[in-house]
Amino acid sequence: DIVMTQPPLSSPVTLGQPASISCRSSQSLVHSDGNTYLNWVQQRPGQPPRLLIYKSSNRFSGVPDRFSGSGAGTDFTLKISRVEAEDVGVYYCMQATQFGYTFGQGTKLEIK
Amino acid sequence: EVYLVESGGGLVHPGGSLRLSCTASGFTFSDYEMNWVRQAPGKGLEWISYISASGRTTFYADSVMGRFTISRDNAKDSLFLQMNSLRAEDTAVYYCSREGVSAGGAPDYWGQGTLVTVSS
Repeated sequence: DIVMTQPPLSSPVTLGQPASISCRSSQSLVHSDGNTYLNWVQQRPGQPPRLLIYKSSNRFSGVPDRFSGSGAGTDFTLKISRVEAEDVGVYYCMQATQFGYTFGQGTKLEIK
Repeated sequence: EVYLVESGGGLVHPGGSLRLSCTASGFTFSDYEMNWVRQAPGKGLEWISYISASGRTTFYADSVMGRFTISRDNAKDSLFLQMNSLRAEDTAVYYCSREGVSAGGAPDYWGQGTLVTVSS
């Protein structure tokens, strides 16, 4: 299986400031069809997961434009341009390039 | 609006069985691939099973292979997870999720989850 690695905690961030979360895969996530199936999901406390970004850099419908994804191959980043209080939660990267799908262990967004 | 509602969770003894259901509404269920994902208390997300839109293709995580069976009834807009030989480590909230056609197959909608507790 592909192993997804994330730091458990983000660097502490002040509300209104940018934040970034990294994710690394144990092998390239480029599928034979040319797409990179790397997704980012957010889980707020006590809530089910919510899709933010799909195929590395595509924002899902209804997701605020302060969220953006980037990366290729094995290294990926989720960025929040200006952190808001409602962004508190855990962020997971997930690969869907190869069965079985795998998630990173999650990164908790830490607010100063 | 898209809704996914899981049911069937509860307390079960080790070695026992449970069948989870996920009822879909707000979209044409038979057009979508579906997954089950679980989350042990205080832990991260773990994908456990996939089923194609027709139901003919399934995949499982190694941790549940041979014990869990995913299925669907497209006429009833329902997804199922039959769980046998349950172990303490299967204790988790179980979520069903839809693979979004317009989201590159990513899990675009999730249910609220149903809690399964395996304990004597």
